[in-house]
Amino acid sequence: QVHLQESGPGLVKPSETVSLTCAVSGGSISRYYWSWIRQPPGKGLEWIGYISYTGNTMYTPSLKTRVTISLDTSNNHFSLKLTSVTAADTAVYYCARDDYRSSPDHFFDYWGQGTLVTVSS
Amino acid sequence: YELTQPPSVSVSPGQTARITCSGAALPEKYVYWYQQKAGQAPVLVIHKDSERPSGIPERFSGSSAGTTVTLSISGVQAEDEADYYCQSADSIGTYVVFGGGTRLTVL
Repeated sequence: QVHLQESGPGLVKPSETVSLTCAVSGGSISRYYWSWIRQPPGKGLEWIGYISYTGNTMYTPSLKTRVTISLDTSNNHFSLKLTSVTAADTAVYYCARDDYRSSPDHFFDYWGQGTLVTVSS
Repeated sequence: YELTQPPSVSVSPGQTARITCSGAALPEKYVYWYQQKAGQAPVLVIHKDSERPSGIPERFSGSSAGTTVTLSISGVQAEDEADYYCQSADSIGTYVVFGGGTRLTVL
C-alpha cells in the first residue's frame, strides 16, 4: 500500500520561502507523476503542479512564477518550494500520486494526510 | 477554465444523492470525483467518469451527458456526509482543474 507523508514548517513569515517534502513509501517514486494540491481553510482544492518521473514539471498559471517542484528518486521523495509567500498562501498542502499512466488525464489515487502551512508574522 | 458544482445537496438516508459537475470541455475530458470528510484528505471515489476504484462501495456511480457529469450515491448513509469535488483538465489537457466542491448533508 502506497503511503505519502508531507513534512515542513507549520509557520512561515510573509515574503519568505516555504519548502515542503513528501516522503513516499510502499512503492517506487519512479514510473508515476506526483502532484501538490492545497486547500485554504474552509475553501476548495487548488492544484499547484506536478512532476513526472522523468523530471518534467507543469504548474498552475497563477503560481507558476513562485513554485518549483523537484524529485529525489534516490530517497523516494519529492518537494515543493513556494517563494514570496503571503497570507493568501495559508492552506493545508497535500501531496498526491498522479496516475497519469493509466488514464489520458491526471488524477490522484493516493494522497498524503496534508500539512497546514500558516503565513503570519 | 472552470468546473461548476452546486454548493450543497441534502438528502435523507436511503435516498439517492446526485451531484453535478459542469464544464465546457467535459464532452472530451474525463471527470474524477473525490470525497473529503471533515479533517481528512480527499479520497478518489470515481475515475474516468464512471469507474469505481477498488474498495469504493457500489452505491457510488458516475454518469456523463454532454457538458455535465453526475456523481450518484444510492441508498445514502450517514457516513456519506462529506464534501465532494469533481476534477478534470482544461481543453488541451495541460492543467488540472477542480470544481468548487459540493457539501452533501444527510438529513
